[in-house]
Amino acid sequence: GAGVSQTPSNKVTEKGKYVELRCDPISGHTALYWYRQSLGQGPEFLIYFQGTGAADDSGLPNDRFFAVRPEGSVSTLKIQRTERGDSAVYLCASSLNGWTDTQYFGPGTRLTVL
Amino acid sequence: EDQVTQSPEALRLQEGESSSLNCSYTVSGLRGLFWYRQDPGKGPEFLFTLYSAGEEKEKERLKATLTKKESFLHITAPKPEDSATYLCAPVNTDKLIFGTGTRLQVFP
Repeated sequence: GAGVSQTPSNKVTEKGKYVELRCDPISGHTALYWYRQSLGQGPEFLIYFQGTGAADDSGLPNDRFFAVRPEGSVSTLKIQRTERGDSAVYLCASSLNGWTDTQYFGPGTRLTVL
Repeated sequence: EDQVTQSPEALRLQEGESSSLNCSYTVSGLRGLFWYRQDPGKGPEFLFTLYSAGEEKEKERLKATLTKKESFLHITAPKPEDSATYLCAPVNTDKLIFGTGTRLQVFP
């Protein structure tokens, strides 16, 4: 079956611009997670959705980062006024019901801020 | 503050040479621990979940064990296709706290 998909696979933008990253979870998975991974580091938690609502957004670094999941399936991570330090791979994962279930990861979106 | 330390950072093995990777953690409200494998340019791939101290799980050449302070990933008679970065992730409440990983290279 289809796994988690993320678009675009690569995004290059200029400092100060706005970007949107999209995640399509596995069908039927109610939990969706966003992570950020810098080179040589492990994924860093950003936000966790249960259905349409953000159950835990404690990992969002500041108010330039925002994520939505309006219909409980597709999610969009939005970054305003991008900074060079935002450059990283942004990973999305989904699981059936919550943290006790296996999180399946997408291939990631590589964001480069020039 | 939650801390996860994986060692060694990098490991080079000859094919067939068994070894162990370590994951030490200080995580409040620990509810479980995940192991993932990550190949270059790809998202992490699930290996194991451990929920309580003393638990062990096996899959092919891999075995994961858990104590109250650390977890081990034992690799028996590795093959070149086992080359990857291995990530451990204790669970704090409802989120995974990933370590920086151990980069494993297995040479034929």
